[in-house]
Amino acid sequence: DGGITQSPKYLFRKEGQNVTLSCEQNLNHDAMYWYRQDPGQGLRLIYYSQIVNDFQKGDIAEGYSVSREKKESFPLTVTSAQKNPTAFYLCASSTQARGYTFGSGTRLTVV
Amino acid sequence: GQQLNQSPQSMFIQEGEDVSMNCTSSSIFNTWLWYKQDPGEGPVLLIALYKAGELTSNGRLTAQFGITRKDSFLNISASIPSDVGIYFCAGQSYTGGFKTIFGAGTRLFVKA
Repeated sequence: DGGITQSPKYLFRKEGQNVTLSCEQNLNHDAMYWYRQDPGQGLRLIYYSQIVNDFQKGDIAEGYSVSREKKESFPLTVTSAQKNPTAFYLCASSTQARGYTFGSGTRLTVV
Repeated sequence: GQQLNQSPQSMFIQEGEDVSMNCTSSSIFNTWLWYKQDPGEGPVLLIALYKAGELTSNGRLTAQFGITRKDSFLNISASIPSDVGIYFCAGQSYTGGFKTIFGAGTRLFVKA
């Protein structure tokens, strides 16, 4: 079955560390996205990529970095520069003609 | 920039009641989407609307694409406890590049 897989489901980070969240899709979608969701809040766009080797900043890109070396993969690195990284992170992919398909999310907690 | 106003922010209802929520914008959209997010999971697409005036059902869910292309509503009939979650609307436009805007969500609580 085609889908989008995020890993890990739960991630704990010490202050000052960088961590990388994985997102893989086998839907053959060109576009991929990373969103951040805080408790009781909506979705805020961090980064997006519409094609391999190209990506754009979203609304809250500071303290995050991404790469898009393969169509299937769009990893997100939460750097030590992100001062409040505890949140639920959602990856999504899409084709232009249809809606988004979301992963099941990664919950990142700073300890 | 484009914004979506989704209301209500939250709803507390009794099992069996009908629910209605909506999204409005000052911008025109080509597509309206409705998603449901269960706690701790990613949103799942419920209904997609592609044409102004379109009315589409998915079981107990009914959604409509507003005739002005600036709004959409979602109705849930005869709510059940598993309807609990966050419902998001999303508008997609193709003008000046493909863009998707999400509403802030409606949090639905159902009391058995």
